[in-house]
Amino acid sequence: DAKTTQPPSMDCAEGRAANLPCNHSTISGNEYVYWYRQIHSQGPQYIIHGLKNNETNEMASLIITEDRKSSTLILPHATLRDTAVYYCIVRAPMYSGGGADGLTFGKGTHLIIQP
Amino acid sequence: GAVVSQHPSRVICKSGTSVKIECRSLDFQATTMFWYRQFPKQSLMLMATSNEGSKATYEQGVEKDKFLINHASLTLSTLTVTSAHPEDSSFYICSATPTFIAKNIQYFGAGTRLSVL
Repeated sequence: DAKTTQPPSMDCAEGRAANLPCNHSTISGNEYVYWYRQIHSQGPQYIIHGLKNNETNEMASLIITEDRKSSTLILPHATLRDTAVYYCIVRAPMYSGGGADGLTFGKGTHLIIQP
Repeated sequence: GAVVSQHPSRVICKSGTSVKIECRSLDFQATTMFWYRQFPKQSLMLMATSNEGSKATYEQGVEKDKFLINHASLTLSTLTVTSAHPEDSSFYICSATPTFIAKNIQYFGAGTRLSVL
């Protein structure tokens, strides 16, 4: 899996958009960008993933740069419940040579939503 | 959909006893499940990969005789911590990947907090 770099912590005001950056300059052509988050004392939660096009779901948007060396997770209207550690993980999907492998978690970004 | 149930959520045991943790995929089949461990203020660390009907694959440094994994069906994997000691106290988390979906998304249980006295 390609290495990722994230800021250790970020603050965001409640109701504002939270933009979490991730650098993955060594990403390979078949690797996707996945985002998970872990709220304190809970199991991680899948948020979103993408290859090269921007993606949006009910939780967030994912913006991937054209060269795919970095991405940004956007929580459009952050709430206090979005306070968590956010992990950016790069890996190949199943059945594309990546296999069903366990995830390698870095330190992530601790996002704190301020009231 | 894609719910993973983990039980128990918390367990306190005496040193030397064994503890079994269950991980169930409630609404999907999972050929592969994973077990992670998380110490305070640290990130999750993969312990082992559990494959239905075959032996688990353990990460380097994880004792297979101490952490017994059984994946007898497509919806259930168990982790047994044998002869637990205080240093085994940690947050144990399982995850499952739906079979036949080529997205490599993992769905996690809520975790089990193990405290060994």
